[in-house]
Order: sequence, then C-alpha cells, then structure tokens
Amino acid sequence: DIQMTQSPSSLSASVGDRVTITCRASQSISSYLNWYHQKPGKAPRLLIYGASSLQSGVPSRFSGSGSGTDFTLTISSLQPEDFATYYCQQSYSTMWTFGQGTKVEI
Amino acid sequence: EVQVVESGGGLVQPGGSLRLSCAASGFTFSSYEMNWVRQAPGKGLEWVAYISSSGSTISYADSVKGRFTISRDNAKNSLYLQMNSLRAEDTAVYYCARGRTGDVWGQGTTVTVSS
Repeated sequence: DIQMTQSPSSLSASVGDRVTITCRASQSISSYLNWYHQKPGKAPRLLIYGASSLQSGVPSRFSGSGSGTDFTLTISSLQPEDFATYYCQQSYSTMWTFGQGTKVEI
Repeated sequence: EVQVVESGGGLVQPGGSLRLSCAASGFTFSSYEMNWVRQAPGKGLEWVAYISSSGSTISYADSVKGRFTISRDNAKNSLYLQMNSLRAEDTAVYYCARGRTGDVWGQGTTVTVSS
C-alpha cells in the first residue's frame, strides 16, 4: 500500500498568514495527488486535484505543487473560513490512501 | 444539481449486517468510478472500497475485505455497500465519493456498531 505522510499534524495561524502543508508519498505517485479540507460535521471538499489543478469554485488563494513523492498545499492569505482540517490523498492506485490530516487553528 | 446522497446507516449489534445506499443525481452515474470512505469518531479519513464505472473492477481496504461488498446498479443510479460481520471498529460516518478525484461527496450516513 502507498503510505501518505502529512506535516505538520496541526498548526496555529492568523488571518492573512501564508500557510504551507506538506505531504509525502511512500513511492512515486506522479501527480495523482488531491487535497481536501473538512470542517467539523461536514463532508470533505476537494480543493486541488492532480497535484496542482484548482477545483472549480475553489478560491485562488489555494494552490498545490509537487510531483513524484513530495507535494505542497499553500494558502496564500488565510481567511476565517479556512480554519479546518486538511487532507492529502493519492489516487495513483484505485486503493486510495489519505494523509493523517493537518488541523489549521487560530 | 450534481449530488450523491447516502442512506441506510443506523445502530447494529456486533456481528450484524447493514446495507448502505448512495443515490446519485445530476450526472451520468454510469460514467463514473465510485468509492466508499469512512471516518471514525474523531479520526481521519479511511478509504473503504472502490468500484469501476461498469462494476467490473473492485478493490477493498484490508480492514473490510471478506466482510464488505461494494456494488452498483447503473440503471438505478445507485451505489451500495453491503456490510456483514460488523465490528465495533466499523463505527463511523460512511461517505460515497465520485470518481478518481473525489470531486463530489455526500453528507454521510452514520453506522454505529454496539451492543
């Protein structure tokens, strides 16, 4: 199985901060890497697919980069609605695996 | 509107069975791969099962293999998860998610396994 490791597991930030979350795969997954965020009691929402493509309707302050085994999600200017848990996920295999999550707190 | 809606969750005793359903609307269901993903209370996301658009290819997480069965009925625009021999550790919110990128998720249905 492909293991996904996210860091950090949590972070504290302020509105307007630039935030970066990293994700590492245990083997090369090309660009088959997706990013989601999830608010308490809600379903995950796709932000970035294919490592760097912005999902329709997602604000442009979100961006993704990387390929192979190392990936990054960047929020250029954190907004109040961005406080949530973020997950990376590989879709290189039909057997998805998720990172453990990064909780972004005020 | 493109959406998927899960149903069928509930309280079941250990060793029992439950069948979850996911009703799709607003898109051509038969063209999309589908997945089930679960989230135990206070935990992260765990992929459970995958089915190809035709139903010919299926994958399961090791934690549910041999106990859960994913299926679909493209004529009814529906995805299913038959869960047998349920354990306490299967307690979770179960989501269906569309496609390889998971671009559409339902609101989830809660399964509680407890005596």
